[in-house]
Amino acid sequence: AQTVTQSQPEMSVQEAETVTLSCTYDTSESDYYLFWYKQPPSRQMILVIRQEAYKQQNATENRFSVNFQKAAKSFSLKISDSQLGDAAMYFCAYRSATINNDMRFGAGTRLTVKP
Amino acid sequence: ETGVTQSPTHLIKTRGQQVTLRCSSQSGHNTVSWYQQALGQGPQFIFQYYREEENGRGNFPPRFSGLQFPNYSSELNVNALELDDSALYLCASSLYRGISYEQYFGPGTRLTVT
Repeated sequence: AQTVTQSQPEMSVQEAETVTLSCTYDTSESDYYLFWYKQPPSRQMILVIRQEAYKQQNATENRFSVNFQKAAKSFSLKISDSQLGDAAMYFCAYRSATINNDMRFGAGTRLTVKP
Repeated sequence: ETGVTQSPTHLIKTRGQQVTLRCSSQSGHNTVSWYQQALGQGPQFIFQYYREEENGRGNFPPRFSGLQFPNYSSELNVNALELDDSALYLCASSLYRGISYEQYFGPGTRLTVT
């Protein structure tokens, strides 16, 4: 079964600096999708960025970018120029492209942004 | 464009009771997925409904059941509530177009079982 591991329960970053959140996953599939979601105290999950496994190019969305290492099964999120509004729980998630339609989430990383 | 909404926001039930949670999908979406998020953990997939049929299920017992209506809104029903059912329940809607689709989450319903 696919599993997603986030080894950093908490991270802290100074405003305007850069932080990287780690995620590893385990799968025997070759075709899948990876996501980073943000969950602020309001509880609503917001999609930050997604990566298709068949694409070699790392996804980028404004200040958010990923480092996707398929062979290593690693999918880290880099947040540049951190802002106070970036403070939230961040979840890495995996979804198969072929079966069952479920999305597997990691346990999350709580990001604190210091002014 | 109306986003995903869930009701109620909070709910307190007693062990052994039954509960129904509701989700209105985003306009134009035809698929709803339900997740259970225990405190301090990531969401876990319960099941998904597509065009009123169950379209995948996670590792949850049969006392977790659901419905999807012709307008694509959905209900999650939990029978014989247990203390461990206390969690945030999230629904996510999407437009299913084959393999690739984005899920948009609602704000969740916080269920407390005493």
